[in-house]
Amino acid sequence: GAVVSQHPSRVICKSGTSVKIECRSLDFQATTMFWYRQFPKQSLMLMATSNEGSKATYEQGVEKDKFLINHASLTLSTLTVTSAHPEDSSFYICSAPRGGGDTQYFGPGTRLTVL
Amino acid sequence: SQQGEEDPQALSIQEGENATMNCSYKTSINNLQWYRQNSGRGLVHLILIRSNEREKHSGRLRVTLDTSKKSSSLLITASRAADTASYFCATDEANDYKLSFGAGTTVTVRA
Repeated sequence: GAVVSQHPSRVICKSGTSVKIECRSLDFQATTMFWYRQFPKQSLMLMATSNEGSKATYEQGVEKDKFLINHASLTLSTLTVTSAHPEDSSFYICSAPRGGGDTQYFGPGTRLTVL
Repeated sequence: SQQGEEDPQALSIQEGENATMNCSYKTSINNLQWYRQNSGRGLVHLILIRSNEREKHSGRLRVTLDTSKKSSSLLITASRAADTASYFCATDEANDYKLSFGAGTTVTVRA
């Protein structure tokens, strides 16, 4: 079964509004989670690293004020797309490493459509 | 950042045939992983190969890694219609779980 969940799976919003996406590790604790973005028919691009208890670290070119990340607990990270615009429409996927090994688990993704 | 190139971009084969796809990358790595993504869905981890390994098997999957050429290949043997998906390689440079993904290969298996 799924070990990382995301909510919502789909969201449609109007331009200028903010959208929050949740990423949860279901049966393990994750001090670190990752957020990726995938445009249609393209690959995944790492946006940021979410760190429990400290600030997120962002990849080059990703606006930290636009993509707010909060690692609220050892099982929850949230990504808030602020003042969303149509160009933010994308598939957002989170991942979480399960301690003690190389494997990390990906969430099912959230499809954001900004009208 | 995206580091991998994948080849081919798309592949169409008959059920029962083998599918081979290749991935090249640019920097030194700690490990390389292959993932499958069904349309509009999340990623499924297939196999991980470490930089000191040359070949790895998992069921019908065979992965090779050539660090001197900075390339990897994924072979799916005896393909099935359910193997239809996009396949991505991803490299972990520093063993910190931060992955750089290749462009992906879309595989279609015809029944």
